Amino acid sequence: KAGVTQTPRYLIKTRGQQVTLSCSPISGHRSVSWYQQTPGQGLQFLFEYFSETQRNKGNFPGRFSGRQFSNSRSEMNVSTLELGDSALYLCASSLTGPTEAFFGQGTRLTVV
Amino acid sequence: AQKITQTQPGMFVQEKEAVTLDCTYDTSDPSYGLFWYKQPSSGEMIFLIYQGSYDQQNATEGRYSLNFQKARKSANLVISASQLGDSAMYFCAMREASYNTDKLIFGTGTRLQVFP
Repeated sequence: KAGVTQTPRYLIKTRGQQVTLSCSPISGHRSVSWYQQTPGQGLQFLFEYFSETQRNKGNFPGRFSGRQFSNSRSEMNVSTLELGDSALYLCASSLTGPTEAFFGQGTRLTVV
Repeated sequence: AQKITQTQPGMFVQEKEAVTLDCTYDTSDPSYGLFWYKQPSSGEMIFLIYQGSYDQQNATEGRYSLNFQKARKSANLVISASQLGDSAMYFCAMREASYNTDKLIFGTGTRLQVFP
């Protein structure tokens, strides 16, 4: 079966712009989580959506937001981009939560 | 707060040999789950193996096994018969679940390089 699909794979944006990243989970999976990976901070949890509701949220500023659609696809939005937002953004899907979450290949965002 | 520690930034192993990647954790919860993920240069995090805190047996998945020592709070990943394709970053993770959160927390990772 198809895995977790993230689009786009690469993005270059300038400071102050906003960006939207997309994640299509494995068919049947209702939980979608987002993580930010940077060399300095490692992997950090952003938020999790389950059945269109944000269930968990990490310690990120309000510029980071997300949503989930009825087909479980999720989008993550970052407004007013800063240089420090440059990172690999990973999406993970699972049936119920973090247990045995399956990750996509990530979107590599570069802010210049 | 829960914490995952991976003390080996990098490891080298010869093809066909076994290698152990270290992971220690800290939690006060009696129920928890431990995971290992592989991240090749492509970026995708690949789930390898899971160990529940109440599991009596060490988890195994093919060439991967988890050496779970609960009293020492360690969950080391053992890769038997290393292959060149095993070269990647390896992350140990723990599920952190409470009344207001349910997420994975990750260690800093170990870069494994397999040489012929």
